[in-house]
Amino acid sequence: EPEVTQTPSHQVTQMGQEVILRCVPISNHLYFYWYRQILGQKVEFLVSFYNNEISEKSEIFDDQFSVERPDGSNFTLKIRSTKLEDSAMYFCASKREGLQPQHFGDGTRLSIL
Amino acid sequence: GDSVTQMEGPVTLSEEAFLTINCTYTATGYPSLFWYVQYPGEGLQLLLKATKADDKGSNKGFEATYRKETTSFHLEKGSVQVSDSAVYFCALSEKDTNAGKSTFGDGTTLTVKP
Repeated sequence: EPEVTQTPSHQVTQMGQEVILRCVPISNHLYFYWYRQILGQKVEFLVSFYNNEISEKSEIFDDQFSVERPDGSNFTLKIRSTKLEDSAMYFCASKREGLQPQHFGDGTRLSIL
Repeated sequence: GDSVTQMEGPVTLSEEAFLTINCTYTATGYPSLFWYVQYPGEGLQLLLKATKADDKGSNKGFEATYRKETTSFHLEKGSVQVSDSAVYFCALSEKDTNAGKSTFGDGTTLTVKP
């Protein structure tokens, strides 16, 4: 069964550095998402992306965050200047169409030192 | 805005016990409802879904029925196993938006003891 794949599985970065989290959604999917889960807390929506543009973003997704689909297969989340509170598990998800459930990757654990 | 409220955990059961994890929701539209499971150190896996009122989602012995009148989607399993130990998340997704983001509950940690 096709999967959403995320790399790396664990990223350790110094505070203030830029980080890029990578995702390869399922190939025929059209809707793409990033979520984050701070340790022990709920899964929070960050941003959704459809038709090569952001369709919705949460208040967490401020100017430090950006997303790109650079080549038709990858979907990236960039954090420009990381803060300690950005430490979390980041999940990518994709779905084919509106009524279908989202398929999640295994996540990237981001640790900011 | 949309919200999902789950029964607080953690929940500890003996093997073969009956499981119920309560989930209620608030939504502006007519959402699809989901249960996801997260095993230790892993990502979110879709467990089951329901897209309209009175639909019953089922998978691996788990069931949940979409109850519009009570805005609920309680997860049940008749006989749990040690391997069911995980965190369970109830979630909803609005159908009539392009974004279709999911809104998650806080998660309920289930531990099944042999």
